[in-house]
Amino acid sequence: DVKVTQSSRYLVKRTGEKVFLECVQDMDHENMFWYRQDPGLGLRLIYFSYDVKMKEKGDIPEGYSVSREKKERFSLILESASTNQTSMYLCASRATVVQGNEQYFGPGTRLTVT
Amino acid sequence: GQQLNQSPQSMFIQEGEDVSMNCTSSSIFNTWLWYKQDPGEGPVLLIALYKAGELTSNGRLTAQFGITRKDSFLNISASIPSDVGIYFCAGQLTNAGKSTFGDGTTLTVKP
Repeated sequence: DVKVTQSSRYLVKRTGEKVFLECVQDMDHENMFWYRQDPGLGLRLIYFSYDVKMKEKGDIPEGYSVSREKKERFSLILESASTNQTSMYLCASRATVVQGNEQYFGPGTRLTVT
Repeated sequence: GQQLNQSPQSMFIQEGEDVSMNCTSSSIFNTWLWYKQDPGEGPVLLIALYKAGELTSNGRLTAQFGITRKDSFLNISASIPSDVGIYFCAGQLTNAGKSTFGDGTTLTVKP
């Protein structure tokens, strides 16, 4: 079974704090993604990575950075959290074409910034 | 960029009824995926489709990859209360990193 895990299900942080969201996958997938999901706005891609130490900006990268030091782990960093970053954050990993090209999501982290 | 139109936006049905929803795109995809998301959880992959015309089932769910490669359909037969949730479609190009997602269909099943 493919497994994508996220370090926290719920997180409450204060404005200005540095926030780390961790994601780990156990399927040796090369591609990993961070999305945020807000009511009425759907899934929006923040950053993705197609290899270790490689990263690409998604549609809404402002205010975020990422780190991928190991293949199985993809971290999302909020350098200085703001209230408009309150959201549901979803990590995903994606198989290669040979593996079936399927994308799997983690359970999500509900972040509240006060 | 690529856009996905998913319809209907929401559905209210009686338990036991069949459900159909679809996604259409302005451009072609090589893979179509269908997900279900329960409140407060991450989306769970239901069905993956890889070839135009492909019809794939997963229990009471059946999905089809449209012949034009610009659309896909999901049917749920004999709905039950636990089918409640948001259903998303996603399209992928084989060698591209990103997926394109529909906005979701919210399904409510009345017992």
